[in-house]
Amino acid sequence: EAGVTQSPTHLIKTRGQQATLRCSPISGHTSVYWYQQALGLGLQFLLWYDEGEERNRGNFPPRFSGRQFPNYSSELNVNALELEDSALYLCASTRTGGPSSYNEQFFGPGTRLTVL
Amino acid sequence: AQSVTQPDIHITVSEGASLELRCNYSYGATPYLFWYVQSPGQGLQLLLKYFSGDTLVQGIKGFEAEFKRSQSSFNLRKPSVHWSDAAEYFCAVGETGNQFYFGTGTSLTVIP
Repeated sequence: EAGVTQSPTHLIKTRGQQATLRCSPISGHTSVYWYQQALGLGLQFLLWYDEGEERNRGNFPPRFSGRQFPNYSSELNVNALELEDSALYLCASTRTGGPSSYNEQFFGPGTRLTVL
Repeated sequence: AQSVTQPDIHITVSEGASLELRCNYSYGATPYLFWYVQSPGQGLQLLLKYFSGDTLVQGIKGFEAEFKRSQSSFNLRKPSVHWSDAAEYFCAVGETGNQFYFGTGTSLTVIP
């Protein structure tokens, strides 16, 4: 079974540009999560998509946005890049679950975004 | 609000020594709990999980964790640390319905 995949591995942008990061979940998983891991700050929750809809978002400005496609893959878009957006962006997926389900997250290897 | 606390930012142990990484959570209902490990520049790998039942759970790589409801803790242990265990360790809490909360991580250094 293929794991969660993310592309690109590395991305270098300059301030003010836009970045697009991609994630493909494990087959059969419908939920996708995005996290930002900046140096020394642990995992900061960004966004959660399930069945094509945004279920929750973390405490990030609106220039962080995303979407989930019908095949459950997902994009994270970061507009008007700032230097502090430099981080490892991790994607995770889980199986479909209802309100009383218990599932674990499976993580991809991440995209390293560097903003110059 | 739910929260996860890992009080130790960094821990150094000698190879062969025992290890305990602390994790405390704040959650109103019965939580489901996870420990993940992250090697430098990599994604997170699940070490073990607790959903229900036996409060002592065994994971991969010789790790175990014990859920203590009275202390709201889920500490990770290993009896004998190997140099390859050097990594970042994250504790996480999951809610029913799949919202997750992560601690800030504990960095483990292993000295020969």
